[in-house]
Amino acid sequence: RKEVEQDPGPFNVPEGATVAFNCTYSNSASQSFFWYRQDCRKEPKLLMSVYSSGNEDGRFTAQLNRASQYISLLIRDSKLSDSATYLCVVDNFGNEKLTFGTGTRLTIIP
Amino acid sequence: DGGITQSPKYLFRKEGQNVTLSCEQNLNHDAMYWYRQDPGQGLRLIYYSQIVNDFQKGDIAEGYSVSREKKESFPLTVTSAQKNPTAFYLCASSMGVPPDTQYFGPGTRLTVL
Repeated sequence: RKEVEQDPGPFNVPEGATVAFNCTYSNSASQSFFWYRQDCRKEPKLLMSVYSSGNEDGRFTAQLNRASQYISLLIRDSKLSDSATYLCVVDNFGNEKLTFGTGTRLTIIP
Repeated sequence: DGGITQSPKYLFRKEGQNVTLSCEQNLNHDAMYWYRQDPGQGLRLIYYSQIVNDFQKGDIAEGYSVSREKKESFPLTVTSAQKNPTAFYLCASSMGVPPDTQYFGPGTRLTVL
């Protein structure tokens, strides 16, 4: 099993729709989880951290399910500017590293 | 303006040549990292440094070398021993080691001709 696994997509979603991605991780001891956004040929940028209780930032909601070892990202009322690749990132507890998923590509269609 | 800078943005190299990629940060972060990204793959860790004058190999260190003589700077040398160096190279920094959030520079796209 890969350490961090994401559906690569692409997800093609009409503007205004709601879209959700999941990401599974293998290390049950992992403590920290993040979603990064990466635009084409640019660097990844932090979108949000994921807390145990779940957290929301405007149209974005992140949730953690420890029992099933996955995190999710929900985007409501999607905008054209949301088109990007979304990277799931998990700490590799015990070896001071972060593990990056390969990303889920999202395209918002007008 | 606080941030991480990388130079150059694009770099072309002939086979057999060593090349050094620059990474500078003025965020006063202790930890710095080098990753490479290839199409369809996640970021892979090359080297990281938690403190000045100390660094550790990541998952794919072969063919690369680094130095950390100053807190602000963490240059990466891609040597001729790296068999497939064409990639997008990303430098990142964080206040401390993971799970601290990492912030990325704009990247250097290296092409070997």
